[in-house]
Amino acid sequence: KAGVTQTPRYLIKTRGQQVTLSCSPISGHRSVSWYQQTPGQGLQFLFEYFSETQRNKGNFPGRFSGRQFSNSRSEMNVSTLELGDSALYLCASSYDTGGGEQYFGPGTRLTVT
Amino acid sequence: GENVEQHPSTLSVQEGDSAVIKCTYSDSASNYFPWYKQELGKGPQLIIDIRSNVGEKKDQRIAVTLNKTAKHFSLHITETQPEDSAVYFCAASEPGNQFYFGTGTSLTVIP
Repeated sequence: KAGVTQTPRYLIKTRGQQVTLSCSPISGHRSVSWYQQTPGQGLQFLFEYFSETQRNKGNFPGRFSGRQFSNSRSEMNVSTLELGDSALYLCASSYDTGGGEQYFGPGTRLTVT
Repeated sequence: GENVEQHPSTLSVQEGDSAVIKCTYSDSASNYFPWYKQELGKGPQLIIDIRSNVGEKKDQRIAVTLNKTAKHFSLHITETQPEDSAVYFCAASEPGNQFYFGTGTSLTVIP
């Protein structure tokens, strides 16, 4: 069974631009969660989508948004990029929501200049 | 919300020795505790997990113990090998809620 895939793997953007990251979960998994990983803050939860609905949301500004499609694929969008948004963005999928095994993708490395 | 603390932040052991990483959590409603291993340039990999109705779980050289009363859980790696070198993260979650992660432990196994 294929794992979680994320595209693109690397991205360089300029301050003020916007970016869209994509995540394809493991086949059959219906929940997708997004995390931001930085050296100083560790793994921070952004949001979780299950059956196209946002189920949980972390403490990030409204510039960070996401959505999930009917095939469970998910995208996250960051608008008006800031230098501090430079991070590894990880997507994780699980069969169900809240408390089940969660499997991570390789991440998208975003650099904002 | 939940608060997960992880110690130590760095750990060096000789090959063949054991390594222990400890985490504490604050929310007694948390009932699922996974451990992840992250190698350089890769996403975290689930290596073992435990639920609150179990006190200990083993998988070959890896074991996790859970003390619900004290709200702490630990990862034990025996007979460490150089390929065990990585960053390890603990996490806690409760039904219907998000995962809360510890700050990570960088493990170095010295050949």
